[in-house]
Amino acid sequence: DAGVTQSPTHLIKTRGQHVTLRCSPISGHKSVSWYQQVLGQGPQFIFQYYEKEERGRGNFPDRFSARQFPNYSSELNVNALLLGDSALYLCASSFEWGGANYGYTFGSGTRLTVV
Amino acid sequence: KQEVTQIPAALSVPEGENLVLNCSFTDSAIYNLQWFRQDPGKGLTSLLLIQSSQREQTSGRLNASLDKSSGRSTLYIAASQPGDSATYLCAVRKGSTGANSKLTFGKGITLSVRP
Repeated sequence: DAGVTQSPTHLIKTRGQHVTLRCSPISGHKSVSWYQQVLGQGPQFIFQYYEKEERGRGNFPDRFSARQFPNYSSELNVNALLLGDSALYLCASSFEWGGANYGYTFGSGTRLTVV
Repeated sequence: KQEVTQIPAALSVPEGENLVLNCSFTDSAIYNLQWFRQDPGKGLTSLLLIQSSQREQTSGRLNASLDKSSGRSTLYIAASQPGDSATYLCAVRKGSTGANSKLTFGKGITLSVRP
């Protein structure tokens, strides 16, 4: 079975540009979360989507937005890029059933560099 | 606000040594705790998941324990090998749904196992 897949793996953008990152969860997983990891830090929570609805949002500016599609894949969009947005962006999927969580599985991430 | 601490930030040991990685968290009201491994520039690989009702989990040479009341978890690695060299992160989840379902990470412990 395919794990969590993210695309692209790397990209370089200029300050002020817009970027879209994509994530496909593990088959059967309906929950997708996004995290930002800057160098030397632990990942920070950005968004969680479950059944195509936003279920949680971290402390990130409105320049960050996301959505989940009917096939449970997800996009993270970042507008007006700043140098500080340079980071590894991680997507995680999980299987939820009856309130029980079976742990998060992470993708390999997208390395975003803003110049 | 939940805070997760992992000390020390880095650790170097000779091959074959048994070692313990520590994780502490400030809010003992957690849903579960998950240990991850991260190789340089890569995504996160889940190692062990401990539910709040459990005291420990084992997988191969790895054993993780959880003491909710004291806000501590340990990851025990037996007979360490150079291939164990990586950054180890612990993450706690507060609840089962909504904003509480996010993971709060420590900064990680970078382990180097010398041949």
